[in-house]
Amino acid sequence: QQQVKQSPQSLIVQKGGISIINCAYENTAFDYFPWYQQFPGKGPALLIAIRPDVSEKKEGRFTISFNKSAKQFSLHIMDSQPGDSATYFCAASFYSGGATNKLIFGTGTLLAVQP
Amino acid sequence: DGGITQSPKYLFRKEGQNVTLSCEQNLNHDAMYWYRQDPGQGLRLIYYSQIVNDFQKGDIAEGYSVSREKKESFPLTVTSAQKNPTAFYLCASSIDLSRQGVSYEQYFGPGTRLTVT
Repeated sequence: QQQVKQSPQSLIVQKGGISIINCAYENTAFDYFPWYQQFPGKGPALLIAIRPDVSEKKEGRFTISFNKSAKQFSLHIMDSQPGDSATYFCAASFYSGGATNKLIFGTGTLLAVQP
Repeated sequence: DGGITQSPKYLFRKEGQNVTLSCEQNLNHDAMYWYRQDPGQGLRLIYYSQIVNDFQKGDIAEGYSVSREKKESFPLTVTSAQKNPTAFYLCASSIDLSRQGVSYEQYFGPGTRLTVT
């Protein structure tokens, strides 16, 4: 019930196209859903995050769509660029008190944007 | 420049040796975390700490140990008891989440790639 399932494992998109990565979860107590971007040999960096009280959040070319009833959320990258080529991780957590939250990560999607 | 530093970037050890990975942050964050990253498995939580002199086991703590003697520092020791220590290790930190209205964001360091032969 603590798992976050991410698909696809890898994705090839043409420059200017839309990249879509999907995640599904079981634990309805999750209340925070971030997406992280990681370049080779670097640590992940937060890209965008959403709470379950909204169905969509947009920041520039990046949009999270959230479907609470289906327990799914997805990342859409509009006008994909070669510089977006990276590994993307979805994650989920719920806050149960204290100073910390435990992020449960998906297995990652390797995105390659072809010029 | 505020951030998280991990050293060294690459570390090589012989099987049976303990090794300590460094993590320092100057973000004034209370919470710190250690993750392990393996190909195709995402990030898995090893240990986390809410405050100095306090830490809790994550999902894969066996074969690892940590200490939190200073707010800024959270070193991880990979012991000889860890069966498959070769991996990419990531340290992260976050603001004290018990404060009202704070972001849940975890900030990651650049990682240490450990190879044990």
